[in-house]
Amino acid sequence: KQEVTQIPAALSVPEGENLVLNCSFTDSAIYNLQWFRQDPGKGLTSLLLIQSSQREQTSGRLNASLDKSSGRSTLYIAASQPGDSATYLCAVGRTGGGNKLTFGTGTQLKVEL
Amino acid sequence: NAGVMQNPRHLVRRRGQEARLRCSPMKGHSHVYWYRQLPEEGLKFMVYLQKENIIDESGMPKERFSAEFPKEGPSILRIQQVVRGDSAAYFCASSLDSNTEAFFGQGTRLTVV
Repeated sequence: KQEVTQIPAALSVPEGENLVLNCSFTDSAIYNLQWFRQDPGKGLTSLLLIQSSQREQTSGRLNASLDKSSGRSTLYIAASQPGDSATYLCAVGRTGGGNKLTFGTGTQLKVEL
Repeated sequence: NAGVMQNPRHLVRRRGQEARLRCSPMKGHSHVYWYRQLPEEGLKFMVYLQKENIIDESGMPKERFSAEFPKEGPSILRIQQVVRGDSAAYFCASSLDSNTEAFFGQGTRLTVV
């Protein structure tokens, strides 16, 4: 059974800092890995999708890496801004059922002025 | 091109009543997934449907919960005889096929009083 863990559970940083969010998973037979953003009381916004054959994806100030063999992914946020404050979720899709996602419990990020 | 539409956004039901949650997938998408987010917990997969078929319902509670995705109209998640423990945010996602990216709706927040 796939288990996804995200560390830290909460993070508070001053504006402008570069930061790294961590995600680990127990079963390396994954199809893809996604990072989402969730604002309080809102839905999920997909940030980056990494296929199992890829090592990383970039979008603007965000960079996500994937190391299947060690069961880890990191989300790097450069030059953080107060608008980045949200909960960041990592989700893993398994081989043969790509969109049956297993989610981590998230990292709650607060970027302070 | 509208995204995944869920309604209602908020639903209040008394214990013992029925709750019906609707999900209209993105245009052209025939695969729908329902997830539940309990307070202070991560999102959990409930059910995966294609038009008129349930593909995977391994995450559905055995009693009181059912889902359908008819040939015409939205997908419906139905909860009979709701209890307080059903209070949660219910998210729907849709995709073109089982292995292309799924897009999430804004969710329906169910409160059982």
